[in-house]
Parts: sequence; C-alpha cells; structure tokens
Amino acid sequence: SQTIHQWPATLVQPVGSPLSLECTVEGTSNPNLYWYRQAAGRGLQLLFYSVGIGQISSEVPQNLSASRPQDRQFILSSKKLLLSDSGFYLCAWTLDSRSGYTFGSGTRLTVV
Amino acid sequence: RKEVEQDPGPFNVPEGATVAFNCTYSNSASQSFFWYRQDCRKEPKLLMSVYSSGNEDGRFTAQLNRASQYISLLIRDSKLSDSATYLCVGHTGGFKTIFGAGTRLFVKA
Repeated sequence: SQTIHQWPATLVQPVGSPLSLECTVEGTSNPNLYWYRQAAGRGLQLLFYSVGIGQISSEVPQNLSASRPQDRQFILSSKKLLLSDSGFYLCAWTLDSRSGYTFGSGTRLTVV
Repeated sequence: RKEVEQDPGPFNVPEGATVAFNCTYSNSASQSFFWYRQDCRKEPKLLMSVYSSGNEDGRFTAQLNRASQYISLLIRDSKLSDSATYLCVGHTGGFKTIFGAGTRLFVKA
C-alpha cells in the first residue's frame, strides 16, 4: 500500500533562518506531488506542484522554493524565513487527480 | 469571486440530527469534486468523491448540481465523532485542485 511521510511534525525557527521540509511517498511510482500551506483557521493554499522529477510549478510568488530530486521525494525550502511563513505545511500526492489526494501528517511551522 | 466557496459555519447540531453543507464553484469546467474531512490540527482526509450523479456512503450523501454549480454533503444521524471541518474540493482536469476554506461542524450530546 502507498504511504506518505512528512517531517518534522513541529518546527520553531527564528526569522531569517533557512528551512527544509521533506516529504516522501512509498509504494507508488511517478506520483503528482504537492505542497500546501494552511494558515490558522484558513483554507489550503497551493504552493507548489510537481508532475515529475525536476518539474516544479509555483503557484504563489514568495520566498519559498521546492525541489524534486527523486521520483518520490519532494522538498520545500527557504533561504530566509519570514514571520508570515508560519503555518501548517502539508505535502500531498496523487496518481490521478480524479482519485483525490492523500496528505502527509503535516509540519506545523512557527517563525519567531 | 473565489473558485470554491463554502459557508464557514460553525454548524452546531445535536446528536442524531441531519445536517447539510453546500459548496459553490465558479469554474464551469470543473470535472470532479470531493469532500474532505479535517480534524483539528490534523491533515485533511478524503471523505467522498462526487461525480456526475453524486454518491452515498453510509450516513453520508454527496450530490452535484452542475446547472447551479454547487455540490452538497448531507450527514444523517450525526455522531459526536462527525465534529470536524469539511472541505469542498473542485478539480478542473489539470494538475491543480482548488480547496474551499471549509465548514466547521460541532455535534453536541
């Protein structure tokens, strides 16, 4: 069966520090991968999606970036965090969007 | 106008009640729809897919009205464990899926 792993679960980082969040999927090949952010009490904001290795589409211009170095690995990064980067970051995968997404357990990031 | 809009609620209902949520979408090209459930501080989990004729799963029924561009979720015989935020999702056939902001449901004893 397919599983998605996301870590860390919780992160507190100072303003201006770098960020690296990792997501891996097991049990499938060539998944579509997504990074979403959810601010407290708000909906999900699509940040990046990838349909293959090295293919990244950005939805929101900001100080975040994403990379997909391997088929089932998706990384979210920042060189310098802002206070506004705080939120709940969710990685998701799907083979076919008609099947819906499966989300990782999320990373709760607090920038202080 | 947001692509997917939901009443944020909260809906406060007693156990055993029937409750319905609506969700409207603006993109008539949207092809498939879903309802997700999100518990507090957890990730969203797929509850139901909704296609052209809607579907039913136990106490949950989802309907699609393409003419009026909305989908609905009906929960019968509400349980305390149904308390959560319900997210409506629309997909246009590309690689992006648009999530509504969610409707909060509280089921009380």
